[in-house]
Amino acid sequence: KAGVTQTPRYLIKTRGQQVTLSCSPISGHRSVSWYQQTPGQGLQFLFEYFSETQRNKGNFPGRFSGRQFSNSRSEMNVSTLELGDSALYLCASSINRGYEQYFGPGTRLTVT
Amino acid sequence: SQELEQSPQSLIVQEGKNLTINCTSSKTLYGLYWYKQKYGEGLIFLMMLQKGGEEKSHEKITAKLDEKKQQSSLHITASQPSHAGIYLCGAHGDTGTASKLTFGTGTRLQVTL
Repeated sequence: KAGVTQTPRYLIKTRGQQVTLSCSPISGHRSVSWYQQTPGQGLQFLFEYFSETQRNKGNFPGRFSGRQFSNSRSEMNVSTLELGDSALYLCASSINRGYEQYFGPGTRLTVT
Repeated sequence: SQELEQSPQSLIVQEGKNLTINCTSSKTLYGLYWYKQKYGEGLIFLMMLQKGGEEKSHEKITAKLDEKKQQSSLHITASQPSHAGIYLCGAHGDTGTASKLTFGTGTRLQVTL
């Protein structure tokens, strides 16, 4: 089975712009979670989607949003980018809620 | 909120030596995950523990969750250069937040020849 895939792998954006990141879960996996990893804050939970509904949300501003499609693929969007949004964004999928999560390679976002 | 503390923060061991990494939680662990990460890359799933006293092994890596479910240890036997990387423990709360993982700050492992 193919693993979790994330596109793009690298992205450079300017402050104030918006960005959309994509995640394709492992085939058959229905839950998708997103995390942000930075040197200062470590790995932090953003949100979880299951059956096209957001089930949990981390402590991030409303500029961070996401959605899940009927095929379980997910996207996250960050609007009005700030320098502090520069990070590795990781997507993880699991067969169902509460099961082991498998991570993708991440999208490295740099905001200039 | 749950906090996870890992120790040590970094570790340098000679190839062939054994080592242990600890993960201590401020609250009861309902599910404890161990992952390995190469710098700047995704996380590789190692093991998940749920029951107090549970122990799992994969190749030369063994992880255990203590009876009180507030501490886990990861033990590597006869370390190899391929074991080098950052080891992260992650945990979730009760059923409602089972997919919301909190992570420790990581342990950076270097294996010298």
